[in-house]
Formats: sequence, C-alpha cells, structure tokens
Amino acid sequence: AQKITQTQPGMFVQEKEAVTLDCTYDTSDPSYGLFWYKQPSSGEMIFLIYQGSYDQQNATEGRYSLNFQKARKSANLVISASQLGDSAMYFCAMRESDDYKLSFGAGTTVTVRA
Amino acid sequence: SAVISQKPSRDICQRGTSLTIQCQVDSQVTMMFWYRQQPGQSLTLIATANQGSEATYESGFVIDKFPISRPNLTFSTLTVSNMSPEDSSIYLCSVRLAGEYGANVLTFGAGSRLTVL
Repeated sequence: AQKITQTQPGMFVQEKEAVTLDCTYDTSDPSYGLFWYKQPSSGEMIFLIYQGSYDQQNATEGRYSLNFQKARKSANLVISASQLGDSAMYFCAMRESDDYKLSFGAGTTVTVRA
Repeated sequence: SAVISQKPSRDICQRGTSLTIQCQVDSQVTMMFWYRQQPGQSLTLIATANQGSEATYESGFVIDKFPISRPNLTFSTLTVSNMSPEDSSIYLCSVRLAGEYGANVLTFGAGSRLTVL
C-alpha cells in the first residue's frame, strides 16, 4: 500500500502568491516524521521542513509552513509569496518509528509564473 | 551542515558495462543510504550502507546488481553492474546528520545521473 500520496502531479502559481501542496500518509506507527524536499531541475534534493508526529505546533521555516492535520493524516506544504526560484518538484516523505529510511510520494511539480 | 560529494555527477554508459558511484561526506556519519530515481519517478531506497559489514538491501534490489561498499564512516560506493537502459536513473546518496532536528533529517548528495545506451 502507498504510504505517501501526493495527488497533484503539477501546479501553476503566480509569482508572489501562496500555493498549497497536498500530502496524505498512511501509517499505524504512533511515532513518525514527515518531511518535504525540493528537487530543482539540477536533480539535488533540498530539505525544506520537518514535522514530528508528537509536535504540537505546525512547523514553519521561512516561507514554508506545514499544515499538519494528524486525524486526517495529512501534511500539506504551504509556500507563501512564491518566487520564480520555487519552480521545482516537491516531494513529501515519511519516516516511521526509529527507522531512518524515508518513503517518498510521487511528487508535485510547481511552476511559478511571472 | 555536512557537505556530500558524489562522483560522477553524470555519465553515459554502454549496455553491459558497470559503473561505480562514489559518495564522500566531510564528516563522520552513522547512516548512509542509496536511492534510485528513475526518469519522472519518485525516489526508491536501494539499500542501507553499513560500515564494516554487508549492505542491507530493500525488496527488489540485490547485491549482485548493486554491490555497495562502506569502508569507513565518511565514504561509500554504489556499483551498478551489467547495466541496461532500464538502469538509466539518478542515483542519490543520503546521510543521516545530527543537527537542529536532532538526527531526523536525511541530507542528500547532488546525485549521479546515469544514461545507459
């Protein structure tokens, strides 16, 4: 079964606007971590933000925030004030329990328009 | 944060040949992983590179096809053996680093983009 689901293959957003990328996950483990990575066309994977399953507050990192809804098993990424350099593929990933391996979603391509 | 260097960054290979990818970290790390990203796809874990012992492979990946070495805490290699066009992918090394998020974050190298003709 798919552990991480990203249902949006691609999205367009106007520069300076906000965009929300959807991510739902499936786990029965009470301890897990959720991650978002950005992959530009160069291919490198850039860590953006992390949310632990026991964290009470939603994670924020600069223009990135994670809308964590535990009961719904969703961990959506919000990018505020989009910039042209935000155009990339974005992956949601999950780590379960003490295992440091990550399971990745299919990714969402974001294209920022000027 | 640590710097992860991968070599080669890209290569074009002939069918039936083998290629070794190197991953060098500028600090000692406990855990290193190798991922594969086929064209237009997500990342799939190949194996965990264990220092001083055999790598732990995920389902669908075998040592004969993807031999891995990890002689110390800063270096690992992944070999893609007897390549076919289906092996054309980006291969990424990742490491677990201690840091602001404790040991929760995996940091990735820039990847090695292989094209098999």
